[in-house]
Amino acid sequence: EAQVTQNPRYLITVTGKKLTVTCSQNMNHEYMSWYRQDPGLGLRQIYYSMNVEVTDKGDVPEGYKVSRKEKRNFPLILESPSPNQTSLYFCASSRLGQGENEQYFGPGTRLTVT
Amino acid sequence: GENVEQHPSTLSVQEGDSAVIKCTYSDSASNYFPWYKQELGKRPQLIIDIRSNVGEKKDQRIAVTLNKTAKHFSLHITETQPEDSAVYFCATSGGSYIPTFGRGTSLIVHP
Repeated sequence: EAQVTQNPRYLITVTGKKLTVTCSQNMNHEYMSWYRQDPGLGLRQIYYSMNVEVTDKGDVPEGYKVSRKEKRNFPLILESPSPNQTSLYFCASSRLGQGENEQYFGPGTRLTVT
Repeated sequence: GENVEQHPSTLSVQEGDSAVIKCTYSDSASNYFPWYKQELGKRPQLIIDIRSNVGEKKDQRIAVTLNKTAKHFSLHITETQPEDSAVYFCATSGGSYIPTFGRGTSLIVHP
């Protein structure tokens, strides 16, 4: 089954404790990205990647890191989480091509930083 | 970069009425225009999309129209049902393939 998976689905942590949210897709997609969703602000892009070892900042990259060592995986790293990073996070992937950019979203990770 | 404006932010209708959500975009190179539906507690999922060489596309009760000259596209839902209640996002992408999303419309269908 074609899918995007994220782990964990829920996470409560404390300020400053490093964490990683994993994202994996089995569709051989070139493009992967991370979004955060906050009430009234829609989906804001954090980072994206167009290929292995190629990553770029989105609209709200501060406080986050990513890596793309393999095509299928795109982990999101919070080195020192702060309460303003409490949010719902979605990973997404897609093909790259004219009119082929349907985004497939993971199930979401709800993060609370206290 | 691309800018996508989506209106309204909230739309409340009675069951059976029609609902229309409109998005405007700025990049004339945009050529792919999808709409995603996000039910409460779920992930966004594609419900319909349109490419720049087509002016309208229908799928049962939903349709999307595109006006490339005016740079706007709209989602039309007819005979709304309570299960249509969700947040709807429009998006665009073009030569860079990087999607830009609207801020979303919360559609509430009252039984």
